[in-house]
Amino acid sequence: AQSVAQPEDQVNVAEGNPLTVKCTYSVSGNPYLFWYVQYPNRGLQFLLKYITGDNLVKGSYGFEAEFNKSQTSFHLKKPSALVSDSALYFCAVSGNNNDMRFGAGTRLTVKP
Amino acid sequence: EAQVTQNPRYLITVTGKKLTVTCSQNMNHEYMSWYRQDPGLGLRQIYYSMNVEVTDKGDVPEGYKVSRKEKRNFPLILESPSPNQTSLYFCASSLLGEPNYGYTFGSGTRLTVV
Repeated sequence: AQSVAQPEDQVNVAEGNPLTVKCTYSVSGNPYLFWYVQYPNRGLQFLLKYITGDNLVKGSYGFEAEFNKSQTSFHLKKPSALVSDSALYFCAVSGNNNDMRFGAGTRLTVKP
Repeated sequence: EAQVTQNPRYLITVTGKKLTVTCSQNMNHEYMSWYRQDPGLGLRQIYYSMNVEVTDKGDVPEGYKVSRKEKRNFPLILESPSPNQTSLYFCASSLLGEPNYGYTFGSGTRLTVV
């Protein structure tokens, strides 16, 4: 079965600085990788996904993620963080059976 | 608007009192799933359904029941809630056989069992 690890519970960055939220995965076969964001008192919102093709995937709100097959990683990045990016971020991996597995989540705090 | 609707958003109940959390989607998705979210544990799957009258256990099914009598609805039933079921619950739906599609999530139900 597929699995995801998010090694950091918390990431703190200053506004305007680049941010990275880390994710590694394990899956047999081709991975379908996703990032979701959760704002307080809200459901999970889709940010971006990797299915195939270019290793750098661009998504909503200026976020991007880099797929690295050799390192089995799918780190979320943004060149310049905003205070409004502060939220809980989940990495997820799906296999061919629609079964999506989520990481434990990383809380991103962007300070002014 | 394409969406997954959960009700209620907030619920406080007492131990042992049966409750149902409803979930409905308007996208004609075959696949529906329930998750619970707990700090440090991420989202854990409770039950899922690949179509009408087809349901299967996820990772943490104990204490929960589901039904799928209609394609659009997938209620979560707690026959005898206990305090360890205090959690944030999410319903999600997706197109079956389309793992690249991703999930659409409901807004969540925060359940407190006292």
